[in-house]
Amino acid sequence: DAMVIQNPRYQVTQFGKPVTLSCSQTLNHNVMYWYQQKSSQAPKLLFHYYDKDFNNEADTPDNFQSRRPNTSFCFLDIRSPGLGDAAMYLCATSTHGTGGLNYGYTFGSGTRLTVV
Amino acid sequence: GENVEQHPSTLSVQEGDSAVIKCTYSDSASNYFPWYKQELGKGPQLIIDIRSNVGEKKDQRIAVTLNKTAKHFSLHITETQPEDSAVYFCAASSGYSTLTFGKGTMLLVSP
Repeated sequence: DAMVIQNPRYQVTQFGKPVTLSCSQTLNHNVMYWYQQKSSQAPKLLFHYYDKDFNNEADTPDNFQSRRPNTSFCFLDIRSPGLGDAAMYLCATSTHGTGGLNYGYTFGSGTRLTVV
Repeated sequence: GENVEQHPSTLSVQEGDSAVIKCTYSDSASNYFPWYKQELGKGPQLIIDIRSNVGEKKDQRIAVTLNKTAKHFSLHITETQPEDSAVYFCAASSGYSTLTFGKGTMLLVSP
């Protein structure tokens, strides 16, 4: 089945130690997103790629970076994780059809990040 | 930018009852309205969506209604079952914009 796959499901990292989360998709969607979700809150958009074009949200800290080497893969890099960065990180994809309508948002299962 | 308000934040029902979750949006240009179900420890799963050119869509026990004039849309779940218990998020987007989520509703279905 076509899907969005995130690895790992659980990640424990040390305070200040760089960490990378990965996402892959078999949907061939042209847009990929990274969301941060803290307990009992809605997902918060960090950034997204429209094809190779990177779009950063205004309030996303510089500590968060992303790479999209090809259509299928996208990475989230946290350069110096702090305790406040502990959260669920969700990858999602979507596609733009004719007329510019954005649809088909599909989420991965998420990576639960713990900072110790 | 778009602002999506979702109510209630918590909803408790008995098995077999209906559940209704309501959302309002601010941007009249929004034209796509998905609903997601998120179970504990999992990513959100799309359960139903509606575009602005229709007023209602139904899929078995789940239906969504859209009132463009009033800028609100609702999720209706009939004959609720314990496995419907989860957090439900509404969202809205327009054209090339990204999704804006509501704050979520925790639905608890008691046997």
